[in-house]
Amino acid sequence: EVQLVESGGGLVQPGGSLRLSCAASGFTFPSYWMTWVRQAPGKGLEWVANINQDGSATYYVDSVKGRFTLSRDNAKNSLSLHMNSLRADDTAVYYCATWSDSSGSFDPWGQGALVTVSS
Amino acid sequence: DIQMTQSPSSVSASVGDRVTITCRASQGISSWLAWYQQKPGKAPKLLISVASNLQSGVPSRFSGSGYGTDFTLTINSLQPEDFATYYCQQANSFPLTFGGGTKVEIK
Repeated sequence: EVQLVESGGGLVQPGGSLRLSCAASGFTFPSYWMTWVRQAPGKGLEWVANINQDGSATYYVDSVKGRFTLSRDNAKNSLSLHMNSLRADDTAVYYCATWSDSSGSFDPWGQGALVTVSS
Repeated sequence: DIQMTQSPSSVSASVGDRVTITCRASQGISSWLAWYQQKPGKAPKLLISVASNLQSGVPSRFSGSGYGTDFTLTINSLQPEDFATYYCQQANSFPLTFGGGTKVEIK
């Protein structure tokens, strides 16, 4: 069974840092692009970042460029999102997902991790 | 950036109804469009990719169409489990962007 399990969410003060992790199982992790998509409370979906299969290419939404860093460890089937200089508008549920470069769609998704930025 | 505009933002419908949701891209995206269903407290689920490709396991009452800038998700004979929020997403170029969502509610 394909599984993506996020961890590392929590409460952080504005300006602080947090690292989200995503553990993948049930599929050949090194063969897939990976992504993070977030959803602020009561709001819609927002793509955050993508990383290619070997980690040599990353793409970010403008609002997180220079603050967030996406990386992967193919030996450990894991994905990490390092988030610095966090702001209140980064508060959201963060979903890890695979991204198909042949269709451009996200599937499957993890269950999500809540990040709350508040003093 | 490509803006995705969904309409309506919400729709009230009854079991058995046909529901149509539209998604318009601010520029042409060929067939690079996906549709997702999200239920409260759950992760989104991919329904349709490349505009009309129904994912395995998704009921055939769901269908997608369109090309370029205008796309449609149709749900034929709405079932109780279909009450949810639906999102479109363009995959033509980075940044990948979503529509604002359409909430399908029980009439």
